[in-house]
Amino acid sequence: SQTIHQWPATLVQPVGSPLSLECTVEGTSNPNLYWYRQAAGRGLQLLFYSVGIGQISSEVPQNLSASRPQDRQFILSSKKLLLSDSGFYLCAWSLWVDTGELFFGEGSRLTVL
Amino acid sequence: DQQVKQNSPSLSVQEGRISILNCDYTNSMFDYFLWYKKYPAEGPTFLISISSIKDKNEDGRFTVFLNKSAKHLSLHIVPSQPGDSAVYFCAASPSPRRTGSARQLTFGSGTQLTVLP
Repeated sequence: SQTIHQWPATLVQPVGSPLSLECTVEGTSNPNLYWYRQAAGRGLQLLFYSVGIGQISSEVPQNLSASRPQDRQFILSSKKLLLSDSGFYLCAWSLWVDTGELFFGEGSRLTVL
Repeated sequence: DQQVKQNSPSLSVQEGRISILNCDYTNSMFDYFLWYKKYPAEGPTFLISISSIKDKNEDGRFTVFLNKSAKHLSLHIVPSQPGDSAVYFCAASPSPRRTGSARQLTFGSGTQLTVLP
């Protein structure tokens, strides 16, 4: 069966520090991968998605970047965090480009102080 | 501009009664709609979906209704159970054939459902 894991689960970082959140999927090949963010009191906002290694699409201009160095690995990064980067970050995968059924990871709570 | 709106941030229902969660959308290119359920500090889990070619889809206690002319969908939970207490997100997506990319979901802001014992 397929599983998705992301880490760390909780992160407290000072403003201006770098960020790296990692996500891996097991049990499937060539998944579509996504990074979402849930800010306090708001819905899930799509940040990045990837349909293959090295292929990244960004949905919103921001302080963050994403990379996909391997088929089942998706990394969310920032060189310098802002206060507004605080939130709950979710990695997700889907197998088909045509399906909306996403499978989400456990989430990573980022607090920028 | 919010393309998917859940206007009720919270809803309380007595155990055994019906829960009705509502969602409105504005983008006429959306052709696939989903509901996700989320517990605190966890990722959302897929609940039920409906394609725009249908107006109803049922799965056990969960039924989703789609009214395309009104650009409105709703999730009915009958009977409601305390374990159903969670945040429910509505999501919508245009066909990848129209966007030329992987299916992307636009989520609403969520409705906190509390089922009272």
